[in-house]
Amino acid sequence: DTGVSQDPRHKITKRGQNVTFRCDPISEHNRLYWYRQTLGQGPEFLTYFQNEAQLEKSRLLSDRFSAERPKGSFSTLEIQRTEQGDSAMYLCASTDTGGQGDEKLFFGSGTQLSVL
Amino acid sequence: KQEVTQIPAALSVPEGENLVLNCSFTDSAIYNLQWFRQDPGKGLTSLLLIQSSQREQTSGRLNASLDKSSGRSTLYIAASQPGDSATYLCAVNDYKLSFGAGTTVTVRA
Repeated sequence: DTGVSQDPRHKITKRGQNVTFRCDPISEHNRLYWYRQTLGQGPEFLTYFQNEAQLEKSRLLSDRFSAERPKGSFSTLEIQRTEQGDSAMYLCASTDTGGQGDEKLFFGSGTQLSVL
Repeated sequence: KQEVTQIPAALSVPEGENLVLNCSFTDSAIYNLQWFRQDPGKGLTSLLLIQSSQREQTSGRLNASLDKSSGRSTLYIAASQPGDSATYLCAVNDYKLSFGAGTTVTVRA
């Protein structure tokens, strides 16, 4: 159990460029979440997967955002035509939903995106 | 929509003092509540998880209580240390986590 891994840790891009982030959850965790956090705020829910199925997307996830989780393992989050308002920390979390409500979420260290 | 509020937004105490952090939420239909710690520029570290059927949970110097009917949770940190300086986030789980904005704690040596 090596924890939730996110790559890259930091990304600087120019407005209008596309970026892709990767998340590797704890092995055998069947649920994976993406959150976005801006300075001074708590994380905001973006989307989540149960295995490979994307079950919900927040209104925050505009058409420029897309997430995938092929084969129910790692996940990618892509932002197309980035805008300065996309600058934030993007956090990934995973959990195993086979329990009886004791579903602790484990978070990665996040990807800090800066759009210039 | 679940709304989570944390009071105070910031707290500064001398070393050794006990800390009391408050969290309130609007919808009591939750599976559990989780307290996290976040250091600047870092991810979230889970501190305590309280299931909806529990009233409190303890780990070392940390104790968290949950009153689901009134929509409140409190995190107590006993005998604070400078290493406790961080932002503490409360999150309620109604199949996804909804977070408060956090309480930023500074413990002065």
